[in-house]
Amino acid sequence: ETGVTQTPRHLVMGMTNKKSLKCEQHLGHNAMYWYKQSAKKPLELMFVYSLEERVENNSVPSRFSPECPNSSHLFLHLHTLQPEDSALYLCASSRATGRYEQYFGPGTRLTVT
Amino acid sequence: DQQVKQNSPSLSVQEGRISILNCDYTNSMFDYFLWYKKYPAEGPTFLISISSIKDKNEDGRFTVFLNKSAKHLSLHIVPSQPGDSAVYFCAARSNYGGSQGNLIFGKGTKLSVKP
Repeated sequence: ETGVTQTPRHLVMGMTNKKSLKCEQHLGHNAMYWYKQSAKKPLELMFVYSLEERVENNSVPSRFSPECPNSSHLFLHLHTLQPEDSALYLCASSRATGRYEQYFGPGTRLTVT
Repeated sequence: DQQVKQNSPSLSVQEGRISILNCDYTNSMFDYFLWYKKYPAEGPTFLISISSIKDKNEDGRFTVFLNKSAKHLSLHIVPSQPGDSAVYFCAARSNYGGSQGNLIFGKGTKLSVKP
């Protein structure tokens, strides 16, 4: 497996469910990111991890909880989501934060019913 | 308020002709700009970038132009090919404060290249 992978690719969940999104990067990078892309809106940065330490949380509601157990894996734990949280969730990685290109995974299409 | 704007949601071009995708920004602290391309069911892929100290960067069929005084950049694709049909995102990076290195994206422009 190469690049940045994300599972699952599609997820439908009810508002009372708990689920997790997984991201794995095979590029030897040290920084990982979660983005949200809603319909007709720009990509919005949610969280940034550098060397497994969260360095940025962009005012994201607490129903989204990230976890970075090592520099290759990133999770986004979801609980009691709202229908407006339905979106494409993209994971990205880069060599480090700062002036480095980010490489994106294919995304998880989340639908909250 | 959007800091990076792509005012054309879509663009249609004939194969072999030039495609010009535009992007405007408002924050003069942005010092690095990137273009990403996104096919359906895939994540964005990095295409080309430009530093604010330059006004042009070329890579094969792709050229990015930066006009700092107008806070405007554009991506030129010559000649356009059907495989270039995708959504193109402009992104800008700030060089200050706690957001250093974070990307601010535009909404994207969907390019369709007709054979």
